[in-house]
Amino acid sequence: DAMVIQNPRYQVTQFGKPVTLSCSQTLNHNVMYWYQQKSSQAPKLLFHYYDKDFNNEADTPDNFQSRRPNTSFCFLDIRSPGLGDAAMYLCATSRDRGTSGYEQYFGPGTRLTVT
Amino acid sequence: AQSVTQPDIHITVSEGASLELRCNYSYGATPYLFWYVQSPGQGLQLLLKYFSGDTLVQGIKGFEAEFKRSQSSFNLRKPSVHWSDAAEYFCAGGANFGNEKLTFGTGTRLTIIP
Repeated sequence: DAMVIQNPRYQVTQFGKPVTLSCSQTLNHNVMYWYQQKSSQAPKLLFHYYDKDFNNEADTPDNFQSRRPNTSFCFLDIRSPGLGDAAMYLCATSRDRGTSGYEQYFGPGTRLTVT
Repeated sequence: AQSVTQPDIHITVSEGASLELRCNYSYGATPYLFWYVQSPGQGLQLLLKYFSGDTLVQGIKGFEAEFKRSQSSFNLRKPSVHWSDAAEYFCAGGANFGNEKLTFGTGTRLTIIP
């Protein structure tokens, strides 16, 4: 089945130690998104790629970076994690901007713990 | 500004009872609307979507939603809930063609009691 895969599912990192989260998709979708979700809150969009075009949200801290080396893969880099960055990180994809709509398909998430 | 509002933070329903989760939107034009479900520790799963046409939309797991322009609402319904429906439910909206971002509501946590 076509899907969105996130690795690892659980990640523990130390305060200030860089960490990379991975997302891959077999849907061949143009758009990939990274969300941060804290407990009992809605997902918060950090940034997204439309093909190779990177779109950063205005309130996303500089500590968060992303790379999309090809259509299938997208990475979230947290350069110096703080305790406040502990959260679930969700990757999602959508096909395009077209008139058929653009529902997003989500991966299972990576739970990040910062010690 | 575009917004999606879910007025109910938490709802408790008896197993076998009917369910309605509320969602209101505020957009300049008719938005695309979605309902997602999230089980604990999992990603979001799409239940159903509305783009245009028939205002009563059928989804997976026996859910349906009705788009009501006059009330700016897109409420989610299920005639008989199962214990496995306990989860967090998110309504989301997207602007018209050319904007691929979604605006999420704050979510409604559904608890099912025997």
